[in-house]
Amino acid sequence: GIQVEQSPPDLILQEGANSTLRCNFSDSVNNLQWFHQNPWGQLINLFYIPSGTKQNGRLSATTVATERYSLLYISSSQTTDSGVYFCAVVSNGGATNKLIFGTGTLLAVQP
Amino acid sequence: EAEVAQSPRYKITEKSQAVAFWCDPISGHATLYWYRQILGQGPELLVQFQDESVVDDSQLPKDRFSAERLKGVDSTLKIQPAELGDSAMYLCASSLGQPGQPQHFGDGTRLSIL
Repeated sequence: GIQVEQSPPDLILQEGANSTLRCNFSDSVNNLQWFHQNPWGQLINLFYIPSGTKQNGRLSATTVATERYSLLYISSSQTTDSGVYFCAVVSNGGATNKLIFGTGTLLAVQP
Repeated sequence: EAEVAQSPRYKITEKSQAVAFWCDPISGHATLYWYRQILGQGPELLVQFQDESVVDDSQLPKDRFSAERLKGVDSTLKIQPAELGDSAMYLCASSLGQPGQPQHFGDGTRLSIL
């Protein structure tokens, strides 16, 4: 099945710093989503981005489907950005629509 | 923005007991998913419904887990009997019926088995 790898596995930032999270996937996809899981366990949908570039406030994401990777940019980080960031994909050739999640990036933003 | 509703938010029970989770998807979403997330890992699909039909339950431990979506709207996931290893976050998601549509998640039920 499709493999999803995220890097870095963990990251510590000072408030105000910028960061880039990466997601590599092993096959073509028809869905790619970025999620933020907060300390309470809520999985918050950041972007639906199977291809192209999107921006939402301090966050932006780019997916280059032909090269099988996606990037999540966080600018001017805040302590509330702390948590785990997941990339998840649906394989284009899959029989179902299940999301395959990466192992996540644990982000800690210090004041 | 419409949300996926789940209850209860937390559940603590003893092993060998029965436990049930409920999910109400976003109105109009034909596809409903149950995922399980073990601490330190990403969520993994347990079962997927298209309307009231099961599309994928290959990872559902059918000796103790059951899921239904009788009228093609809300859904119930049951565990009987619960085991210590079932402690996890159970997440429900929904999407429109077409392939590749984004999935929207509820807040989850955190299950602890004593």
